[in-house]
Amino acid sequence: DAKTTQPPSMDCAEGRAANLPCNHSTISGNEYVYWYRQIHSQGPQYIIHGLKNNETNEMASLIITEDRKSSTLILPHATLRDTAVYYCIVRVYRGATNKLIFGTGTLLAVQP
Amino acid sequence: DSGVTQTPKHLITATGQRVTLRCSPRSGDLSVYWYQQSLDQGLQFLIQYYNGEERAKGNILERFSAQQFPDLHSELNLSSLELGDSALYFCASSAGPQETQYFGPGTRLLVL
Repeated sequence: DAKTTQPPSMDCAEGRAANLPCNHSTISGNEYVYWYRQIHSQGPQYIIHGLKNNETNEMASLIITEDRKSSTLILPHATLRDTAVYYCIVRVYRGATNKLIFGTGTLLAVQP
Repeated sequence: DSGVTQTPKHLITATGQRVTLRCSPRSGDLSVYWYQQSLDQGLQFLIQYYNGEERAKGNILERFSAQQFPDLHSELNLSSLELGDSALYFCASSAGPQETQYFGPGTRLLVL
């Protein structure tokens, strides 16, 4: 399964955009990029996912580079409630197996 | 609220004991997954079920077992508990094996 690399921590000012990078240089053509976040010790919360094209939903935008070796999660207007650990995951669906392999993620601290 | 429910929220028990954690998936979801989150190991995939059948195993100890019942709820049984089994245990569900996983709030297990 493709491995992801994320910075361990980032700061962002409240109201500004938070841009969280992720490297996944060994990603294969059929592998999706998923983003989850975990606020304190709550259950991981699904944010967004994509394969090739950029994606946007009510929570965030996902920008995937053309070579698919990296991506950026964008929270357009960060609030204090967005402080969490953000996980970038490359998910492989193989033989009906659909496990998520979590790395250490990025701790995003939104500052007032 | 993801729609996935887990009981109990907290569980305190002694070494050598056996406990059962319960998960109810989102309405209509056929796949259930179990994950363990400990301080030193992070979030790790344990096991996946689809419509009552085991589909994939991860780093699940032999002392642990799981099953998915005809009504699609799932139970994770942990036996001969050790101090190191203290962790957060999350259940996730998805509509099918390829679909996005949604996590429950977790069960916090403390083994004394």
